[in-house]
Amino acid sequence: DIQMTQSPSSLSASVGDRVTITCRASQSVSTYLNWYQHIPGKAPKLLIYSASTLQSGVPSRFSGSRSGTDFTLTISSLRPEDFATYYCQQSHSNPYSFGQGTKVEIK
Amino acid sequence: QLVESGGALVQPGGSLRLSCGASGFTFSTYSMNWIRQAPGKGPEWVAYVSSTGGIKEYTASVQGRFTISRDNANNSLYLQMNSLRAEDTAIYYCARDLVVYSTTFELWGQGTLVTVSS
Repeated sequence: DIQMTQSPSSLSASVGDRVTITCRASQSVSTYLNWYQHIPGKAPKLLIYSASTLQSGVPSRFSGSRSGTDFTLTISSLRPEDFATYYCQQSHSNPYSFGQGTKVEIK
Repeated sequence: QLVESGGALVQPGGSLRLSCGASGFTFSTYSMNWIRQAPGKGPEWVAYVSSTGGIKEYTASVQGRFTISRDNANNSLYLQMNSLRAEDTAIYYCARDLVVYSTTFELWGQGTLVTVSS
């Protein structure tokens, strides 16, 4: 099974900050890597798929990149509505595993 | 949208059937999934079903105990859960694939809580 390891597990940031979240796969997943945002009480939301493709309707301040088995989600300028937990997920092979999450909190 | 129902408190060894109603899109053209999230943990993909229902996949821990199915005429997705264990306690979400068999979860419901406890 492919293990997905996110870092950090949580971070505190201010509105306007640039935020970077990292996800490492235990083996190659090519570009089959997705990012989700989850706000408590709401349905999870797909942000980025195929490592770097922005899902329709998602603001351009969100971006994704890949370097080998390391993936990065960047929020260029944090907005109040971005305080949430973010998860990476590999869609390469069964079981289609998620990271443990990164909680972005208000500083 | 997707709306899950059927979550409940059930004893270990018991059974439960979850439902997911779909609206606002052509349900029969999308492959679907069940995903769960236990308290304090990341999400876990549970099961996949193709648009016609002909292909099904499961994560190993539920293989042989859970069955995913769908009724395209009624825009509904189901998860039959048997031989439930404490470790099956979680919020269960249904989710639509971005494209067929992508296991990229484009649309999620808000979830239904399953608690397995005596």
